[in-house]
Amino acid sequence: KNQVEQSPQSLIILEGKNCTLQCNYTVSPFSNLRWYKQDTGRGPVSLTIMTFSENTKSNGRYTATLDADTKQSSLHITASQLSDSASYICVVRVRDNYGQNFVFGPGTRLSVLP
Amino acid sequence: DAGVIQSPRHEVTEMGQEVTLRCKPISGHDYLFWYRQTMMRGLELLIYFNNNVPIDDSGMPEDRFSAKMPNASFSTLKIQPSEPRDSAVYFCASSSSRQGQTDTQYFGPGTRLTVL
Repeated sequence: KNQVEQSPQSLIILEGKNCTLQCNYTVSPFSNLRWYKQDTGRGPVSLTIMTFSENTKSNGRYTATLDADTKQSSLHITASQLSDSASYICVVRVRDNYGQNFVFGPGTRLSVLP
Repeated sequence: DAGVIQSPRHEVTEMGQEVTLRCKPISGHDYLFWYRQTMMRGLELLIYFNNNVPIDDSGMPEDRFSAKMPNASFSTLKIQPSEPRDSAVYFCASSSSRQGQTDTQYFGPGTRLTVL
């Protein structure tokens, strides 16, 4: 069964600290993996998209890694800011004929405190 | 670009009433998606369209849900009759196939539906 798991479920850190969010997946065949940031009361916003051949991708203070062998991804946030408080959702795309089959993780709720 | 536009932003209705949610995708995008998000189940894909044609509606919970896309700039999601368990945030998203498998989905602000 195609599944995406994320850990931790929630995380609280102090402003300026770094943190790492985890995503494990059992999706096959794999197309790509995405990280979304969702602020409270708003729609998700794409942070990174990684294909099988990419093992790291950055978007400002956000750096995503992908290990296709172990089927694990991480999202590292550097020098956290209050505005980083949000839910972070890992999404894996299944490679199929239609190309629009996505498996969503439950998300990690990050709170950055001053 | 105004992004994906959804209306209404909030909807409160009574059980048994018909509810219609509306979406205007980003101009030029050929894919449109309807999602539902709840605390218990997270984000779920309900249905998606390609060039106004429904491609996969396997995520639609039951016959009470229906979606249409009469043209490239407008889509509706209808619930009739509505039930309290339909209470959720409904998102519309659009993307362009020109980016291939790495196309980015752009989400609207969502419609928060409460069925009493």
